[in-house]
Amino acid sequence: GQNIDQPTEMTATEGAIVQINCTYQTSGFNGLFWYQQHAGEAPTFLSYNVLDGLEEKGRFSSFLSRSKGYSYLLLKELQMKDSASYLCAVRDRKVTGGGNKLTFGTGTQLKVEL
Amino acid sequence: DTEVTQTPKHLVMGMTNKKSLKCEQHMGHRAMYWYKQKAKKPPELMFVYSYEKLSINESVPSRFSPECPNSSLLNLHLHALQPEDSALYLCASSQDTGTATYFPNTEAFFGQGTRLTVV
Repeated sequence: GQNIDQPTEMTATEGAIVQINCTYQTSGFNGLFWYQQHAGEAPTFLSYNVLDGLEEKGRFSSFLSRSKGYSYLLLKELQMKDSASYLCAVRDRKVTGGGNKLTFGTGTQLKVEL
Repeated sequence: DTEVTQTPKHLVMGMTNKKSLKCEQHMGHRAMYWYKQKAKKPPELMFVYSYEKLSINESVPSRFSPECPNSSLLNLHLHALQPEDSALYLCASSQDTGTATYFPNTEAFFGQGTRLTVV
């Protein structure tokens, strides 16, 4: 099974940098995803890590340490529109019947203030 | 086209009704998913289809019945639901890596969801 934890809420200032942490304990691991979800909308993909290290994508970066079961999402130059829920999701090892088993963390509600 | 389209957007049904949720994608993805999401909670996986075959059923009650008639369509048939089944139902699709041992990015694309209320 999977146990994935994130802080419930975070508040940050427009223009600042915020780091959202995710820790996981899994019986099998084959990749970690970060998604953004605005209230009432579908989750949208932000980043993917399967090897240790940092992946950078514009204002968003994500880091993974498999040995520590730890990831973070770094958001730079925060904008008001970044106020949303950020979901860390772990993909299980190969599924016998095909497809991907993606388990989501508890989600972090980020509020960006002026 | 990177869209996953779900219909209807909203659905209110009684506990004795039978209804269906529909999902469609034209990205050539061979893996499709149903998730359930309650307010202020993360999405919970219900079913996974791979190449039109059911791959995962996360011990979902039989009042939810999935169907994948072809590679572009995914349905969720609902019957005799309970008020606690009220939630946002999300469909998603992704590439399927088959038997690959090293998984590339297979990001899931989500539909906008169906907001279901059971009365």
